[in-house]
Amino acid sequence: AQSVTQPDIHITVSEGASLELRCNYSYGATPYLFWYVQSPGQGLQLLLKYFSGDTLVQGIKGFEAEFKRSQSSFNLRKPSVHWSDAAEYFCAVGARAGNMLTFGGGTRLMVKP
Amino acid sequence: EAGVAQSPRYKIIEKRQSVAFWCNPISGHATLYWYQQILGQGPKLLIQFQNNGVVDDSQLPKDRFSAERLKGVDSTLKIQPAKLEDSAVYLCASSLAGPTETQYFGPGTRLLVL
Repeated sequence: AQSVTQPDIHITVSEGASLELRCNYSYGATPYLFWYVQSPGQGLQLLLKYFSGDTLVQGIKGFEAEFKRSQSSFNLRKPSVHWSDAAEYFCAVGARAGNMLTFGGGTRLMVKP
Repeated sequence: EAGVAQSPRYKIIEKRQSVAFWCNPISGHATLYWYQQILGQGPKLLIQFQNNGVVDDSQLPKDRFSAERLKGVDSTLKIQPAKLEDSAVYLCASSLAGPTETQYFGPGTRLLVL
């Protein structure tokens, strides 16, 4: 069975600082990987996704993520955080046989002015 | 393009009562999903429809939860009777058919069971 672990429940960074959110997955084959963001009272919005090819994936809002098969990781990065990035971030793995997503527990990002 | 619509946005009921949630997916999206998101956790898939057929409902508590997608468009999720542990946000998502298609989520229905 597939699973996702997001080791950091909360992260606080200063505005303008760089950001890295960790994600580790367990899956029997090459996975489909996703990062979603959820702002208060809002639905989940897709930031980026990885299916194959280049292991460095660019997404919306200046985010990127790198797939590292050897580490079973798909960490999300942003070089300079903005106050509007404060939200909850979810990593998810998708099964290749269908489109069912398994989500991690999420990381809540707070941004200090 | 209109997004995924859900109603109601909030619902408060007492335990043992019944409740229903409605979802209208993005036009043309064949696949529809219902997720349960308990406070502090990631969403958990309850059921997935492809058109009006069920693809996966392995995590749906079938003794109290039911879902249908008549005519392959709108969907309803029902809980009867509700328990305290059903308090959560219920998210609906839709996508085009296929394992690589992006899922688009609605705003969710926040349920509180007292």
